[in-house]
Amino acid sequence: GENVEQHPSTLSVQEGDSAVIKCTYSDSASNYFPWYKQELGKRPQLIIDIRSNVGEKKDQRIAVTLNKTAKHFSLHITETQPEDSAVYFCAARHGGSQGNLIFGKGTKLSVKP
Amino acid sequence: GAGVSQSPSNKVTEKGKDVELRCDPISGHTALYWYRQRLGQGLEFLIYFQGNSAPDKSGLPSDRFSAERTGESVSTLTIQRTQQEDSAVYLCASSLVRDQPQHFGDGTRLSIL
Repeated sequence: GENVEQHPSTLSVQEGDSAVIKCTYSDSASNYFPWYKQELGKRPQLIIDIRSNVGEKKDQRIAVTLNKTAKHFSLHITETQPEDSAVYFCAARHGGSQGNLIFGKGTKLSVKP
Repeated sequence: GAGVSQSPSNKVTEKGKDVELRCDPISGHTALYWYRQRLGQGLEFLIYFQGNSAPDKSGLPSDRFSAERTGESVSTLTIQRTQQEDSAVYLCASSLVRDQPQHFGDGTRLSIL
């Protein structure tokens, strides 16, 4: 079946450093790639998303890049802060606009003050 | 409402019992999704509803799982004859239409003794 691989599973950075999380997907028809942040015991919150017609999207300290040829996309967080600590999930919509989201297994990000 | 609302927030039940979980989507959202999140894992798609169309049940793990939704209102997920492996957080999400960002509820933490 369709698959989304996410790396690393855990990531620890010092406050102020950058963090990068990478995902690869298997379905070349995938056209939508959201990223969710989930704090402990809380609901997943959409932080940024990108569609397949663009290669990069930025929102303040957060950016996402997409390489359709290689079928991978990445989340970049700059100037990390302790409140960025959470589990981050990538997802890809397989099968085009009417498909379902397939989620990665998550990356636990810890930002040390 | 202001966001996706789920109830109960926690449910503890004995193996073999039936459980019913409820989701109230954001007003005006025609698309509704159920996911399962096992401890430390990503989100696993279960079922999708779009208005009055036939639901996409492709993610339901067994015939013990079923869900209903009338029009664009509340949805219920029912698990019959619960097993210990059903223990997980069950998350509901809604979106304006299928191709739009999904917004999640806080989930129901289900524990099977």
